[in-house]
Parts: sequence; structure tokens; C-alpha cells
Amino acid sequence: KQEVTQIPAALSVPEGENLVLNCSFTDSAIYNLQWFRQDPGKGLTSLLLIQSSQREQTSGRLNASLDKSSGRSTLYIAASQPGDSATYLCAVTGRDDKIIFGKGTRLHILP
Amino acid sequence: DAMVIQNPRYQVTQFGKPVTLSCSQTLNHNVMYWYQQKSSQAPKLLFHYYDKDFNNEADTPDNFQSRRPNTSFCFLDIRSPGLGDAAMYLCATSSFDWGAYNEQFFGPGTRLTVL
Repeated sequence: KQEVTQIPAALSVPEGENLVLNCSFTDSAIYNLQWFRQDPGKGLTSLLLIQSSQREQTSGRLNASLDKSSGRSTLYIAASQPGDSATYLCAVTGRDDKIIFGKGTRLHILP
Repeated sequence: DAMVIQNPRYQVTQFGKPVTLSCSQTLNHNVMYWYQQKSSQAPKLLFHYYDKDFNNEADTPDNFQSRRPNTSFCFLDIRSPGLGDAAMYLCATSSFDWGAYNEQFFGPGTRLTVL
């Protein structure tokens, strides 16, 4: 059974710093891994999707990597801003068509 | 803009009174999902449709049903809501092409309160 873990559960960093969020999964038989952002009381906003055949994806200040063999993904945020404060979730789509989310990392950027 | 729309945004129902949540999409995606998200928890997949092919998660209670009358619309029916069903319900869409699932797009969610 696939398990997805995100560490840390919460993170506070000063504005302008670069930071890394981690996501690990136990079953490497996946279609893809997707990173989302969720603001309080809102739906999920897609940030980056990495297909199983890919190693990384970039969008603006965000870079996500995928190491399927070790069951790890990282989301790198460069030059953090207060507007980046949110909960960041990773989700894995398995070859059994099941989608499993991690519990998320609550990020707070200090002005 | 292409998007995923959920109605209503807030729904209040009484214990045991059936409720229907709706989701529509203009993305023409062949896959639609329903998730339940309780406070401070990860979204949990209830079921999904690949076209009209319904896929129920093994631990989704029978109290939850779904309908997809056409590509654009999908409904979540809760037949007898209990207090434990109070949650945010999220609809999402994706396309499955060339043997791969593509990016999921989420609607804003419907927050269900059960009195």
C-alpha cells in the first residue's frame, strides 16, 4: 500500500531565503507526482507535475525533482516571499490508478 | 478561462437529509475525481471516473454515490449525511492520454456542514 510522507509538517523561514520541501513515497510504481499549494479554506492549485519518466520540472521560482528509485521528491522555492505562505501538498498517482496525498507542509514566510 | 466549477460553495444539511454536490468542467478532460478533505488532513480520494467507467475506492462508504451524466458534469450524492461527513469536498479533473495521467486541476471545493 502506497504511503506518502511530507517532512517537515511545518516550516517558518524569513523572506528571501531559499527552501526545500520534501516528499517521500513507498511504492515506486507510479504514473506521476504532482505538487500543489492550498490556501486556508480553498481548493488546491497545481504547481508542478513530474511524470515518472522525468527527473525535474521548473516553473518560475519553483523547481521540483523526482528520484523514483529512492521514492523521493523535493520542491525547491527560491527567494521566498510572504505570498508563498500556504500548505504545500504532494500527491502520487500509482500504476493502480490510486492517488495518495501527503499530509502537507505548512509554510510561513516571515516578512 | 477553462476551469473546474463546484456548486454550491457552502452547503448546510441536517443529519440524515440527502445532499447533492455538483462539479462541472470546461477542460474536456476524460477523468473526474471526488475527494473528501477534513480539517488539517490530506485530501482522500473517494472515487473517480475515466470517461463513464466508475472506479470506487475500497474504503469509500456506501453512503457516498456518484453520477457522471456527461463529460462535463459529475455529481456527489451523500444519501444520509452523518456528523462525520462534514468536510470540504473537492472535485478535480485530469486527462489520461498516451498511457499517462496528466495534471490534475481542482475546483474551489464545497464545504459541507451537517447539523
